[in-house]
Amino acid sequence: GAVVSQHPSWVICKSGTSVKIECRSLDFQATTMFWYRQFPKQSLMLMATSNEGSKATYEQGVEKDKFLINHASLTLSTLTVTSAHPEDSSFYICSARGTNPRYEQYFGPGTRLTVT
Amino acid sequence: TQLLEQSPQFLSIQEGENLTVYCNSSSVFSSLQWYRQEPGEGPVLLVTVVTGGEVKKLKRLTFQFGDARKDSSLHITAAQPGDTGLYLCAGDGGSNYKLTFGKGTLLTVNP
Repeated sequence: GAVVSQHPSWVICKSGTSVKIECRSLDFQATTMFWYRQFPKQSLMLMATSNEGSKATYEQGVEKDKFLINHASLTLSTLTVTSAHPEDSSFYICSARGTNPRYEQYFGPGTRLTVT
Repeated sequence: TQLLEQSPQFLSIQEGENLTVYCNSSSVFSSLQWYRQEPGEGPVLLVTVVTGGEVKKLKRLTFQFGDARKDSSLHITAAQPGDTGLYLCAGDGGSNYKLTFGKGTLLTVNP
């Protein structure tokens, strides 16, 4: 149980275009989903927290107009990187929190974004 | 702001050796989780500790939560090359279930 998927697993896009990344909890309902960014050999940096049906809460320094998050249902959250630039190239990981236990988060496999 | 100091950041050892990774904070956490991550993949949850003083074992891995719930350790006995990876500790402050991550320990076990 507690499986989280992400799609796509990798994507290459041109500078100025937008990219959407999906995060799904496959076998449980996710009360909250989190989006992280990770640079090589470094820890995870939380970007935003999203609850189903409400606006995402962004961490300080994260541009909400650039990183659009939609949590449409209890099993799906999307992150759209708008007008992507090379500096947005990174490994993006989502996680999902269920209700039993409420404190455990399960991570997706990540999405490697490369902006050329 | 809650911070988790994780040490060491890098560890390279020979197969068969033992090692310990530490996570320390001045803050109290409702729970603390340990993850292992391999390159190009998401973190995989190893264990969650909730009660102060709690000790959990997962084969050759032993996890301990400090009595005051401010620190934790991961001890690996007789490390194997398959243990190679990035180990992350993460504390749950309890208010909104956001995890505070340590900087990670990049472990390399050489055959």
